[in-house]
Amino acid sequence: QVQLVQSGAEVKKPGSSVKVSCKASGGTFSSYAISWVRQAPGQGLEWMGGIIPILGIANYAQKFQGRVTITADKSTSTAYMELSSLRSEDTAVYYCARDRGAAAFGYWGQGTLVTVSS
Amino acid sequence: LPVLTQPPSASALLGASIKLTCTLSSEHSTYTIEWYQQRPGRSPQYIMKVKSDGSHSKGDGIPDRFMGSSSGADRYLTFSNLQSDDEAEYHCGESHTIDGQVAWVFGGGTKLTVL
Repeated sequence: QVQLVQSGAEVKKPGSSVKVSCKASGGTFSSYAISWVRQAPGQGLEWMGGIIPILGIANYAQKFQGRVTITADKSTSTAYMELSSLRSEDTAVYYCARDRGAAAFGYWGQGTLVTVSS
Repeated sequence: LPVLTQPPSASALLGASIKLTCTLSSEHSTYTIEWYQQRPGRSPQYIMKVKSDGSHSKGDGIPDRFMGSSSGADRYLTFSNLQSDDEAEYHCGESHTIDGQVAWVFGGGTKLTVL
């Protein structure tokens, strides 16, 4: 059974950066797309970008271009999402998700709350 | 960019049926969408993919009383015999290609209340 375990909650100052990790277990890490999706308080889901580890090339939502970096470490089966120039509007729960069969987001991490506050 | 529109809320009685709607922008009316269920305080869970012809692919363990269908730019998720456990937020999402790269967009979600 595939599991995605994310790093813990973070509190950050405006203007700083945050890096969230997502460690996969129970499956083949490199061949499947890992995406990052965030959810601001009381809001819907927002796709930020994704990566296929074996290809090593990430693609990003236009909204986050230049501010987000998604990477993957095949040796540790861990994906990372780094978001820079944080502002209060970036306060959200950040999820990683992996594709599974017909589902683009068939497996989900437990979510990481990032709070941006001065 | 494509837009997905969902009503913010819906409600129905326990044991009743209800149909949730996800409307694609007109220029993307033939696109396939995916439905996700998110119970309070939990991560989303894949329910099914719904194509423009109404065919659908459910995730593992999704009950038979969850059905998908389509009409024009609308994609539906229909529940029969509504259960208290169905009370959740339901999100639809759709992928498209921009400059050869895949991107995703989600609707605003519909909060389903079981009365």
